[in-house]
Amino acid sequence: ILNVEQSPQSLHVQEGDSTNFTCSFPSSNFYALHWYRWETAKSPEALFVMTLNGDEKKKGRISATLNTKEGYSYLYIKGSQPEDSATYLCAFDYSSASKIIFGSGTRLSIRP
Amino acid sequence: DGGITQSPKYLFRKEGQNVTLSCEQNLNHDAMYWYRQDPGQGLRLIYYSQIVNDFQKGDIAEGYSVSREKKESFPLTVTSAQKNPTAFYLCASRDSNRGMNTEAFFGQGTRLTVV
Repeated sequence: ILNVEQSPQSLHVQEGDSTNFTCSFPSSNFYALHWYRWETAKSPEALFVMTLNGDEKKKGRISATLNTKEGYSYLYIKGSQPEDSATYLCAFDYSSASKIIFGSGTRLSIRP
Repeated sequence: DGGITQSPKYLFRKEGQNVTLSCEQNLNHDAMYWYRQDPGQGLRLIYYSQIVNDFQKGDIAEGYSVSREKKESFPLTVTSAQKNPTAFYLCASRDSNRGMNTEAFFGQGTRLTVV
């Protein structure tokens, strides 16, 4: 079984603070790394899909980096807002078999 | 509107009965997936399918079965052999023909309770 690890499991951050969390994944048979945001009572929605070592992606206040050689990705949120409260999932896209394996997620809560 | 539809949203079944969860997509996606979520855990892959009439087991396929007779549909049957069927089930799809940088799209999920 492929192991995709996310840390921390949960995070409580003051509004306005910046935060980051980690996804680690197998460095072999890498195809792509996905980040999703999953808000309560909604479906998970894609933030980024990254494929190349050294990739950096940005969407508004959220950005992500990728290191495929050492098998990790960071997600950064700058100036956290209450609407950023959600579970953030990373997913490892395994070889060309279209198999997507998820980590257990980081649950982020923003305190006003 | 294009999307993925899972039905029903809530499902109750008696122990020992098989139950089938529906997943339909009109996004013309080739790949489809079933995941299970338990409280405090992430999404675990049950089955996935890259094309019609073909599917592969995920990490927790025991006690489940699927079919992929049509591109749009990927129903999941939870059999009586599944020891702990009560969970939240999510279906997803993606356009695997566009290369390796395509994201998955998810349905709203089905919460199955077995009593």
